[in-house]
Amino acid sequence: ETGVTQTPRHLVMGMTNKKSLKCEQHLGHNAMYWYKQSAKKPLELMFVYNFKEQTENNSVPSRFSPECPNSSHLFLHLHTLQPEDSALYLCASSQDTGRGSPLHFGNGTRLTVT
Amino acid sequence: GENVEQHPSTLSVQEGDSAVIKCTYSDSASNYFPWYKQELGKRPQLIIDIRSNVGEKKDQRIAVTLNKTAKHFSLHITETQPEDSAVYFCAASRGNQGGKLIFGQGTELSVKP
Repeated sequence: ETGVTQTPRHLVMGMTNKKSLKCEQHLGHNAMYWYKQSAKKPLELMFVYNFKEQTENNSVPSRFSPECPNSSHLFLHLHTLQPEDSALYLCASSQDTGRGSPLHFGNGTRLTVT
Repeated sequence: GENVEQHPSTLSVQEGDSAVIKCTYSDSASNYFPWYKQELGKRPQLIIDIRSNVGEKKDQRIAVTLNKTAKHFSLHITETQPEDSAVYFCAASRGNQGGKLIFGQGTELSVKP
C-alpha cells in the first residue's frame, strides 16, 4: 500500500478515444500533482493542485484536462491524444506546496496511444 | 528556464564499491534538493533530501552534499549492494514551490555482485 493509488495501471487507447486516469491519496495531504515520465527524459511536471485549486499548468496541451474534486482525488481526462503522449503518468501528493514538501508518488499508469 | 543536469546517465560498480551521482542546477533560488530512487517497474521513492542551509546530510550508506556557490549537489552511496541497482533522480525546487520539482535526467545504477 503506497498511500497514493492510481488506476488503471495500464491503458491502451486510440487517438479518438476519451479516457480518464484516477489518483487517490490516503495520506491527508493537501497538494496533488501529475507528472509525465517518458523514456530517456526527465520527469515532467504537468499540473499542480493545492487545496483543490490548480496552481500550475506547465504548458500542457489542452487534450490533457485535470480535475481535482477534493484534496484526496485527482483525475486526468484524456481525449484525442497523439502517439507521442504514450508514457508513464505519475500522480504524487505532498503535505502542501510549501517549502520542501517531499512528494509521494503512485505506481503510475502506463499509457499507450495507438 | 529552470534546468537540472545529472551525470552520469549510467553507472556500473562492483558490490562494495562507492557510487557518486552529480547534479547541477540553473535556478539560484532553488533551496530544496531531494533524491529519488526508482526500481524497475516501480514508483519513484524519496531516499534523502537536503535544504540549502545545510552542506551535507547522511543517512546510513547514503549521503548528499550541496555546494550552493557552484550550484551543484551530489549523491554518495557507500558499500553498494545489488539491491541499490535502480534509476536515481535528483531534483530541485525553489522557495515556496516545494512541490514543483525540476528533475534531472536520471542515472541508471547497476551494482554487480
